[in-house]
Amino acid sequence: AQSVTQLDSQVPVFEEAPVELRCNYSSSVSVYLFWYVQYPNQGLQLLLKYLSGSTLVKGINGFEAEFNKSQTSFHLRKPSVHISDTAEYFCAVSDQQRTGNQFYFGTGTSLTVIP
Amino acid sequence: NAGVMQNPRHLVRRRGQEARLRCSPMKGHSHVYWYRQLPEEGLKFMVYLQKENIIDESGMPKERFSAEFPKEGPSILRIQQVVRGDSAAYFCASSPQRSSGNTIYFGEGSWLTVV
Repeated sequence: AQSVTQLDSQVPVFEEAPVELRCNYSSSVSVYLFWYVQYPNQGLQLLLKYLSGSTLVKGINGFEAEFNKSQTSFHLRKPSVHISDTAEYFCAVSDQQRTGNQFYFGTGTSLTVIP
Repeated sequence: NAGVMQNPRHLVRRRGQEARLRCSPMKGHSHVYWYRQLPEEGLKFMVYLQKENIIDESGMPKERFSAEFPKEGPSILRIQQVVRGDSAAYFCASSPQRSSGNTIYFGEGSWLTVV
């Protein structure tokens, strides 16, 4: 079975400062990795995903994430945040071996950008 | 191309009533997933359906909950005899293929409040 741990439930950061949202996963098989963002009272939007290839993945809105297999991590980063980045961020994994898209989500990290 | 459509967006039910949540997948998508998001928690997988088939219902509570995705019409998540603990946001997602590397696209959610 897979599980996802997002180590920080809340991350406050000043506008234009860098931010890193941490995600660790556990799995006995190879996985695909995803970050989704959820704005208040809305559904989840895909930020980026890692399927294979380069371990540094670039997504929308200036976000990027790095897959580290040895540390089973997929941390999300942005060099300079904006007020509009205030949202809930979810890390998710999907089992490469399994047909169907059962995604396992972390409990989320609430990013608050302070003016 | 319309996204995943969920309705109602907000639903209030008294304890013991039934709740029906509907989901129309994106055009061309034949796979539907339901997730539940409890307050202060991440998304929990409930069920994965294709047209007229339940593929994986390992996340569905054993009683009172059921889901269907008929040949014609939207997918429906049905909760019978609702209790306060059923209050949550219910998200539907869809994808075009069964491969676990595919992105799943989320609707904006249905917020159920049981009073």
